[in-house]
Amino acid sequence: EAQVTQNPRYLITVTGKKLTVTCSQNMNHEYMSWYRQDPGLGLRQIYYSMNVEVTDKGDVPEGYKVSRKEKRNFPLILESPSPNQTSLYFCASSLSMGLAGGGEQFFGPGTRLTVL
Amino acid sequence: EDKVVQSPLSLVVHEGDTVTLNCSYEVTNFRSLLWYKQEKKAPTFLFMLTSSGIEKKSGRLSSILDKKELFSILNITATQTGDSAVYLCAVEVPANAGKSTFGDGTTLTVKP
Repeated sequence: EAQVTQNPRYLITVTGKKLTVTCSQNMNHEYMSWYRQDPGLGLRQIYYSMNVEVTDKGDVPEGYKVSRKEKRNFPLILESPSPNQTSLYFCASSLSMGLAGGGEQFFGPGTRLTVL
Repeated sequence: EDKVVQSPLSLVVHEGDTVTLNCSYEVTNFRSLLWYKQEKKAPTFLFMLTSSGIEKKSGRLSSILDKKELFSILNITATQTGDSAVYLCAVEVPANAGKSTFGDGTTLTVKP
């Protein structure tokens, strides 16, 4: 089944404790992206990657890191989480996003992160 | 800064009603506008619009883009309770290929 998977789905942690949220897609998509969603707000883009070893900042990259060493994986790293990073996080991938004409994104199930 | 504004923020209707959701945008350049539906989980794709005046249709849902006035509408006819969701609009610009700007969404509630 074509899908985007994220782990963990739920995480409660404490301020300053480094964490990684994994994202993997099995559709051979070149484009991947991370978003956060807060109550009453739409999706805000954190980082995106057009291809392996190519990453760029979205609108809210502060406090986050990403890496793209393989096409299928795009982990999100919080080196020193803070309470304002409590949010719902979505990973997405796309076959044609970023190319001429743009394209739809396929979203993972989300990771609900609480930082105490 | 690219900006996407959706209206209304929330809407409550009864089954059988027709609704129109709005999405306006201010971007430095334009590539495509996409609509997604989010039901308490991950967003799912509805439509992608790139050309003005061409209606995209899927069942009771349809959408159209006006690139001159910089907006799009999403219409849902004969609404059902299963249409209850947050509807998100997103714009992609070619100058920042890969960068996607979403609106805050419209929360639609359809009552029986």
